[in-house]
Amino acid sequence: DVKVTQSSRYLVKRTGEKVFLECVQDMDHENMFWYRQDPGLGLRLIYFSYDVKMKEKGDIPEGYSVSREKKERFSLILESASTNQTSMYLCASSQTKFGGSYEQYFGPGTRLTVT
Amino acid sequence: AQTVTQSQPEMSVQEAETVTLSCTYDTSESDYYLFWYKQPPSRQMILVIRQEAYKQQNATENRFSVNFQKAAKSFSLKISDSQLGDAAMYFCAMEASGSARQLTFGSGTQLTVLP
Repeated sequence: DVKVTQSSRYLVKRTGEKVFLECVQDMDHENMFWYRQDPGLGLRLIYFSYDVKMKEKGDIPEGYSVSREKKERFSLILESASTNQTSMYLCASSQTKFGGSYEQYFGPGTRLTVT
Repeated sequence: AQTVTQSQPEMSVQEAETVTLSCTYDTSESDYYLFWYKQPPSRQMILVIRQEAYKQQNATENRFSVNFQKAAKSFSLKISDSQLGDAAMYFCAMEASGSARQLTFGSGTQLTVLP
């Protein structure tokens, strides 16, 4: 079974702190994604990566950065946390598959509260 | 750009009954995939069912089936013989061929199953 794990289920940080959210997948997937999930808005893509050291901006990259130094690990960084970044953060991974869909496998999520 | 719309924020169904969740989408791509994902309370998001746009036949997975109306850009999910374990947030999502492996999600429908 594909396993996507996230470093924390719950996290409380103060405004202005630097926050690291880490995601690890164990299926050698090329693609990894960070989303934030807010009520009534569904999932919105923050950043994604299709290879080590490669990254692409999603729909809402402002205030975030990412790092992918190893294939299995994709980190989301909040350089200076703000209260409007309080949210559920979901990591996902998928395999590059020619001629097919890219089914994404999700981690359990990190509920981040910024006070 | 593509959009996915779920117009029912909440739905409820009696155990053993059938319920249909609605989803509409918009895209200029001719080649795409559609998905329904399920997010149970405090548990990881999992794929329920997938539909390739080039296939006319509606996808079925056990008690879950879709009604794919390509011309109307509609993709509804039918759950038959509803069970308590079906209670979850359901997200409709779309992957377009030109989207570089990204998924676009709807805002979700919270399904309650009544005993």
